[in-house]
Amino acid sequence: QQQVKQSPQSLIVQKGGISIINCAYENTAFDYFPWYQQFPGKGPALLIAIRPDVSEKKEGRFTISFNKSAKQFSLHIMDSQPGDSATYFCAASKKVNYGGSQGNLIFGKGTKLSVKP
Amino acid sequence: GAVVSQHPSRVICKSGTSVKIECRSLDFQATTMFWYRQFPKKSLMLMATSNEGSKATYEQGVEKDKFLINHASLTLSTLTVTSAHPEDSSFYICSGRGSSGSEQYFGPGTRLTVT
Repeated sequence: QQQVKQSPQSLIVQKGGISIINCAYENTAFDYFPWYQQFPGKGPALLIAIRPDVSEKKEGRFTISFNKSAKQFSLHIMDSQPGDSATYFCAASKKVNYGGSQGNLIFGKGTKLSVKP
Repeated sequence: GAVVSQHPSRVICKSGTSVKIECRSLDFQATTMFWYRQFPKKSLMLMATSNEGSKATYEQGVEKDKFLINHASLTLSTLTVTSAHPEDSSFYICSGRGSSGSEQYFGPGTRLTVT
């Protein structure tokens, strides 16, 4: 049972456009929602993260929108650039409880973004 | 963000041999370290979680005797793939998490090829 569903699987956007990737989760115990960017042959890099006490978080061209009632969150990339072409993963985790298994990230299946010049 | 390194970045070994991968947190103390495996064009699959000084907790289906994990210090964890076989060929990625938050920082990954 996949606990974090990510869509679309792939996305093509023109340079300067807005890229939108969506994720939905099932477990209401999740309280941390990060997005990771991964280039081919590299490890994922933490891009931006949000907690459920806010509905939106913006860092530069990247914005997370969070809808707690719908159990959905999305990543918006404004003014998309060819350098943004990568695979993006959403994830979710429960509150960290040191010594236990809480806090392990549950990943979506990823979205491959291609930004065309 | 915090920096995690992995060594080696690529390794080729013969079937039946063992290979060790090191994961280091360079600018923070990783109370918990995680090891993932990633197949081409797939998401990350958690293999095991380890807290410093404790035995690793392995995910279901991951052989603990084959994938030996040591987390001896707050900045170093190692994954040893014992008696490697071609089906162990994969991209292995570690991550670290400090004691003050939920953020996980990933290493650059190690490409293992078993011939």
